[in-house]
Amino acid sequence: GQNIDQPTEMTATEGAIVQINCTYQTSGFNGLFWYQQHAGEAPTFLSYNVLDGLEEKGRFSSFLSRSKGYSYLLLKELQMKDSASYLCAPRGSWGKFQFGAGTQVVVTP
Amino acid sequence: EAQVTQNPRYLITVTGKKLTVTCSQNMNHEYMSWYRQDPGLGLRQIYYSMNVEVTDKGDVPEGYKVSRKEKRNFPLILESPSPNQTSLYFCASSPTGGFGTDTQYFGPGTRLTVL
Repeated sequence: GQNIDQPTEMTATEGAIVQINCTYQTSGFNGLFWYQQHAGEAPTFLSYNVLDGLEEKGRFSSFLSRSKGYSYLLLKELQMKDSASYLCAPRGSWGKFQFGAGTQVVVTP
Repeated sequence: EAQVTQNPRYLITVTGKKLTVTCSQNMNHEYMSWYRQDPGLGLRQIYYSMNVEVTDKGDVPEGYKVSRKEKRNFPLILESPSPNQTSLYFCASSPTGGFGTDTQYFGPGTRLTVL
């Protein structure tokens, strides 16, 4: 999406931590989703934030600051299977979604 | 099994030949949406539907039509396809589309090539 910025690619080693930042501008903001997408496959849901703060879900955590238009996804204890594209998706009002271009995470042994 | 299905999965066609990509969900979801995904541009919303007989334009609706005559189906119609519509298309559904942790469930994708 034109108003969503996230890095194109990040590389990290197995067992490490990676933080994917996302900045956005969305009218009628109504929550922000993170999705994981493996090459050639459909996106799958990872996390959701609507209020400011941190949401933790196992190895994955997501943070939101609505006033700054900023979110991040934190991947801990990286595994090889975490190599994928991660999509930041703010939801606007009444069903309108935008997606960032995705951050390709490459996990190396 | 709860799922979103799309057909066909792969299609190669020629400019101007009308085509329809079908999408069906078996979860009784009210909300359905179509996206296209192109390298470097991410997923872009084409059309969405909040319920039967209710459809709205997303960010890139030009050259596409949709209909929602029944809750489970949301076909995407390209009346006169052009090469710039070559893309990977995803259909998605969610319970309501607008509330809470109402995540979307995506179909497997349709890879369309227009020559």
